[in-house]
Amino acid sequence: DGGITQSPKYLFRKEGQNVTLSCEQNLNHDAMYWYRQDPGQGLRLIYSSQIVNDFQKGDIAEGYSASREKKESFPLTVTSAQKNPTAFYLCASSLITGEETQYFGPGTRLLVL
Amino acid sequence: EDQVTQSPEALRLQEGESSSLNCSYTVSGLRGLFWYRQDPGKGPEFLFTLYSAGEEKEKERLKATLTKKESFLHITAPKPEDSATYLCAVQDHGGNEKLTFGTGTRLTIIP
Repeated sequence: DGGITQSPKYLFRKEGQNVTLSCEQNLNHDAMYWYRQDPGQGLRLIYSSQIVNDFQKGDIAEGYSASREKKESFPLTVTSAQKNPTAFYLCASSLITGEETQYFGPGTRLLVL
Repeated sequence: EDQVTQSPEALRLQEGESSSLNCSYTVSGLRGLFWYRQDPGKGPEFLFTLYSAGEEKEKERLKATLTKKESFLHITAPKPEDSATYLCAVQDHGGNEKLTFGTGTRLTIIP
């Protein structure tokens, strides 16, 4: 089955700890994205990547880092500098020519201990 | 800066009672308007993309329409399984692929 997988489903972070969220896609999509969802707010873009080894900061990149070493993978690290990390994190992917709809994964809920 | 406002925030309907959800938007140049459905604790599921004013798309009990300032998601004779949060997003011609989302309409269909 083609799709986007995110792991883990739930993640717990201790004070001062960096944690990494995984996102993998087998849709052969060029572009990948990370969004953050908070109650009462629209999804907000953290990072995007149109091509391997290149990525761009989104609206709320502070306290996060990303990498794109493979076309199918776009991990996101939530660093200790992110003071309010509790949220639902969503990964998406799309083509960059033709039909450019973004398709989303199932999400990772990050909680702070 | 692109903006998306969805109304109402929440809507409760009896099964079979048709209604519409609104998405008003401000964008410098519309590249696409997207509707998604999101169930609690899950990722958004794609429904429709609309590209230009006057365009309409249908899927089962849902129909999306687009004008130059807003989009409507019409739901006809809804069933309880249509209960979900419906999200609207816009993408502009600014050169990045970012979607700007509204806060969603939480739809509850009562049997």
